[in-house]
Amino acid sequence: ETGVTQTPRHLVMGMTNKKSLKCEQHLGHNAMYWYKQSAKKPLELMFVYSLEERVENNSVPSRFSPECPNSSHLFLHLHTLQPEDSALYLCASSRGTGEYGGNSPLHFGNGTRLTVT
Amino acid sequence: AQTVTQSQPEMSVQEAETVTLSCTYDTSESDYYLFWYKQPPSRQMILVIRQEAYKQQNATENRFSVNFQKAAKSFSLKISDSQLGDAAMYFCASKVGGGSNYKLTFGKGTLLTVNP
Repeated sequence: ETGVTQTPRHLVMGMTNKKSLKCEQHLGHNAMYWYKQSAKKPLELMFVYSLEERVENNSVPSRFSPECPNSSHLFLHLHTLQPEDSALYLCASSRGTGEYGGNSPLHFGNGTRLTVT
Repeated sequence: AQTVTQSQPEMSVQEAETVTLSCTYDTSESDYYLFWYKQPPSRQMILVIRQEAYKQQNATENRFSVNFQKAAKSFSLKISDSQLGDAAMYFCASKVGGGSNYKLTFGKGTLLTVNP
């Protein structure tokens, strides 16, 4: 059983819909991440939260809006998406963001498979 | 900027045999970390093995070991006695030492098939 849980597992939405992806971690970590995984491309980091504050935003379009209400929960709010946004969205957490070495490995969830029609 | 290259989009191995997955990286830093992650059909990315660049000894985790060639900037993963459960996408990744996880750079992955 994973310590990082993502819901829903699959999501199909139209371009005018508004939906949210949810991530919850039970590992006592204080950093959480959203990644986008597209076919035949490296994982793309979207957002990082450390102690509930956003510390990284990798030039992600505003149609993606993250929210981190506490250190255990992370959301990704979606609105007016494009078909090219279809991908696997992975959430991860870690104990710290790893500035002091590689001793904060990422723990990933099972991802949400998003299809934009 | 760091880059990570996995030149083998797909590999296959017979059960119980050994397979090596290739990874090369490019960095101007002298202190960095290298990782191999596995993503099975369940889609959860799992850390397989980690190597600190300052360590000369190759990391080993049970049937998984790496061949770290620092001068060549090569970091290959060897899986011995392959099992059906090893079938997955394998991603190589690198991070600058003392750098944050949001500077973690992934390769495009290698899809490993294990044949019974």
